[in-house]
Amino acid sequence: DAGITQSPRHKVTETGTPVTLRCHQTENHRYMYWYRQDPGHGLRLIHYSYGVKDTDKGEVSDGYSVSRSKTEDFLLTLESATSSQTSVYFCAISESNGGELFFGEGSRLTVL
Amino acid sequence: RKEVEQDPGPFNVPEGATVAFNCTYSNSASQSFFWYRQDCRKEPKLLMSVYSSGNEDGRFTAQLNRASQYISLLIRDSKLSDSATYLCVVNSNTGNQFYFGTGTSLTVIP
Repeated sequence: DAGITQSPRHKVTETGTPVTLRCHQTENHRYMYWYRQDPGHGLRLIHYSYGVKDTDKGEVSDGYSVSRSKTEDFLLTLESATSSQTSVYFCAISESNGGELFFGEGSRLTVL
Repeated sequence: RKEVEQDPGPFNVPEGATVAFNCTYSNSASQSFFWYRQDCRKEPKLLMSVYSSGNEDGRFTAQLNRASQYISLLIRDSKLSDSATYLCVVNSNTGNQFYFGTGTSLTVIP
């Protein structure tokens, strides 16, 4: 299995609080992605990174920010969590543009 | 219109059966295609890439039809362990965004 770890794996928080999810990889892959998965929607891209300090928005980026200061770490931040951000968040990595994605185990976030 | 559409199922089949899933995509310029498998409350895992000429991996066969913009997955001799949700994945023509279907649920019955 690809070396991808997400933390925390589970989190319950209250509306309005900031939340940061961390994705750490040991594969030295250039591309990293954050997805959310909700019933009836499949996985939807939030943000992705194509290198250190190089990031771009996905289709559901509102309310989220990301940072990548090192190849191995990609952080997803919810500045002020809302109940609509209750979801399962998956980090994924890819070695090449358009290449196969490998996923972390997911972070389950509940916003009360 | 969704970028990728799949029949959600569920498909309930007996052990040993052959089952096929289809998936349609909207962007004719898409370049990469994949099938992923996702078990309940787990992360998606790559099952196989889909190549233009079609490809096979054991009991699994994937096909791509660019003219009709669909990809298919055929599972032969179904096993209980094949029970999962199968996700169709298509990347954008720029390569840096992937679009996921909502998944097709398969249950293989003893």
